Amino acid sequence: QVQLVQSGAEVKKPGASVKVSCKASGYTFTSYGISWVRQAPGQGLEWMGWISAYNGNTNYAQKLQGRVTMTTDTSTSTAYMELRSLRSDDTAVYYCARSLRRTTSWDYWGQGTLVTVSS
Amino acid sequence: QSALTQPASVSGSPGQSITISCTGSSSDVGGYSYVSWYQQHPGKAPKLMIYDVTNRPSGVSNRFSGSKSGNTASLTISGLQAEDEADYYCSSYTSSTTLDWVFGGGTKLTVL
Repeated sequence: QVQLVQSGAEVKKPGASVKVSCKASGYTFTSYGISWVRQAPGQGLEWMGWISAYNGNTNYAQKLQGRVTMTTDTSTSTAYMELRSLRSDDTAVYYCARSLRRTTSWDYWGQGTLVTVSS
Repeated sequence: QSALTQPASVSGSPGQSITISCTGSSSDVGGYSYVSWYQQHPGKAPKLMIYDVTNRPSGVSNRFSGSKSGNTASLTISGLQAEDEADYYCSSYTSSTTLDWVFGGGTKLTVL
């Protein structure tokens, strides 16, 4: 069965960086892309960006350009999302989610990773 | 402020039907057939309920249905059950140059 398993919760200080992993199993990793979506406490969902696991092409939300990098390791079927220069408003649950293409919906989601940014 | 507008809350009794609206613009909901609906229970990851406006993934109850008219998409849940109580989010692909996907602010469904 398809599974996306994310790394554990993180607590970071403002200005630091965080790297969240998302290990995929149960499907051909390179046949899909991975999007990252975050949800601040008590708030709605926000799309952060997408990466093709086939060729590594990325597309990021403009508001995060320069601070976010998404990568994949096809040898371990793992996707990564690194966010730098963390601010308090980056405190959120970060989800990875699978989609066939940039224009398709996310049919499987990871369990979420809480990133807390606090001094 | 979310790009897509949803009612903050809706409610219904078991067995009834409810509809949640999702209003966008010609740049997103009205311009594409890439509208999805997600169900989220507290502390859980979102779950895909409807994709491409009207399609149900395998395993999703046929009590859930989607539609679209102009710039407004809708999710209808018939035969309400207690386990349907959750937050529901719509999303749409967008022609915006700043991001690919936009979301609604979410609707809290209460089963009375």
